[in-house]
Amino acid sequence: RKEVEQDPGPFNVPEGATVAFNCTYSNSASQSFFWYRQDCRKEPKLLMSVYSSGNEDGRFTAQLNRASQYISLLIRDSKLSDSATYLCVVVRGATNKLIFGTGTLLAVQP
Amino acid sequence: EAGVAQSPRYKIIEKRQSVAFWCNPISGHATLYWYQQILGQGPKLLIQFQNNGVVDDSQLPKDRFSAERLKGVDSTLKIQPAKLEDSAVYLCASSSLNRDRGHTYEQYFGPGTRLTVT
Repeated sequence: RKEVEQDPGPFNVPEGATVAFNCTYSNSASQSFFWYRQDCRKEPKLLMSVYSSGNEDGRFTAQLNRASQYISLLIRDSKLSDSATYLCVVVRGATNKLIFGTGTLLAVQP
Repeated sequence: EAGVAQSPRYKIIEKRQSVAFWCNPISGHATLYWYQQILGQGPKLLIQFQNNGVVDDSQLPKDRFSAERLKGVDSTLKIQPAKLEDSAVYLCASSSLNRDRGHTYEQYFGPGTRLTVT
């Protein structure tokens, strides 16, 4: 079993739709959580951090459930420019090692 | 502020040949990472440096991969000899740990080197 699991998609949604991505992690000692965004043939970039209290940044909301070892990302009012791969990331260990999921591909259609 | 620089951007080699990648991190960033990203997968950490010391190389295939960061700034990653399964994008990232504001884990990635082994 992979340490960080994501549905690879693709998620094909129309503009304006709300879409949610889920991620589960297996190591309960994981200490921090993030969502990164990766455009096609580009490098990953930090999208947002994830906290138990929830974290909102404009149209994006991230949530962490430590008891269920589950992370989510909600995108409201999808834009064409949101089309990308969304990578769930878990941090663990004394060296703050980043463990990436395989990513979920989102394609927003006009 | 200049980002993480990597070269070359693309490289095609035959199996059993050698190849080297270069990375220049963001100025002042003490921590440097090399990742391997195979098509359809997330990045996998190969090696992490703190200044010029190795912090984590547990997933580096040491029989063929080597990396160094001699002066604590630039870094090179080498593969010798290459195998077909080494075809991937090799990403370099750097980060700065700011203890005044708590732990800051944001890693800034370079554009990557796309390696094709034939």
